[in-house]
Amino acid sequence: EVQLVESGGGLVQPGGSLRLSCAASGFTFSTYWMHWVRQAPGKGLMWVSDINTDGGFTRYAYSVKGRFTISRDNAKNTLYLQMDSLRAEDTAVYYCARGLQVAPGIDDWGQGTLVTVSS
Amino acid sequence: QTVVTQEPSLTVSPGGTVTLTCASSTGAVTHGFDLNWFQQKPGQAPRALIFNTSNKHSWTPARFSGSLLGGKAALTLSGVQPEDEAEYYCLLYDGGAWVFGGGTKLAVL
Repeated sequence: EVQLVESGGGLVQPGGSLRLSCAASGFTFSTYWMHWVRQAPGKGLMWVSDINTDGGFTRYAYSVKGRFTISRDNAKNTLYLQMDSLRAEDTAVYYCARGLQVAPGIDDWGQGTLVTVSS
Repeated sequence: QTVVTQEPSLTVSPGGTVTLTCASSTGAVTHGFDLNWFQQKPGQAPRALIFNTSNKHSWTPARFSGSLLGGKAALTLSGVQPEDEAEYYCLLYDGGAWVFGGGTKLAVL
């Protein structure tokens, strides 16, 4: 069974940093692209970033480019999101999601971790 | 920056049929677009329904189908069940990044 478990969320002040982790199990992590998606309270989904299988290729949404960094450790089956220069508008539940193998897209999702940016 | 537009809300009767659409600000959605559909119920993580515009996952109920309709991507629910009440999102790749639509809140009344 595919399991994606996010951690590292919490309360942080504007301008601060936070690192999210996503522990993956139940599949061969190193063979899948991975994504981060966020959802502000009461709002829709927003794609944040993705990373290829070996970590050598990454993409970001315009609003987080230059502030967020996605990475992965295939030996630890773990995905990361380093978030710097955080703003109030980054407040959201952050989901880790697995990329499809048969076509571009996303299939499985974690349950999310809440990040609150507030003074 | 691509904007992906969905109907904000739709209502359907149990047993009825409803079509949700997904439009791109860059132009017509055509075959070859990387287009996914997701369902999200309150308090839950999203669940994947459709990939590659019209392909179902192994867990996707048969009553859900994806297609192209008049330059837009479409998600059709036939024989709607009460448990289909949820928010539905499309996800489209615009050549540089993935972009979600704003979501359609589907009420089953």
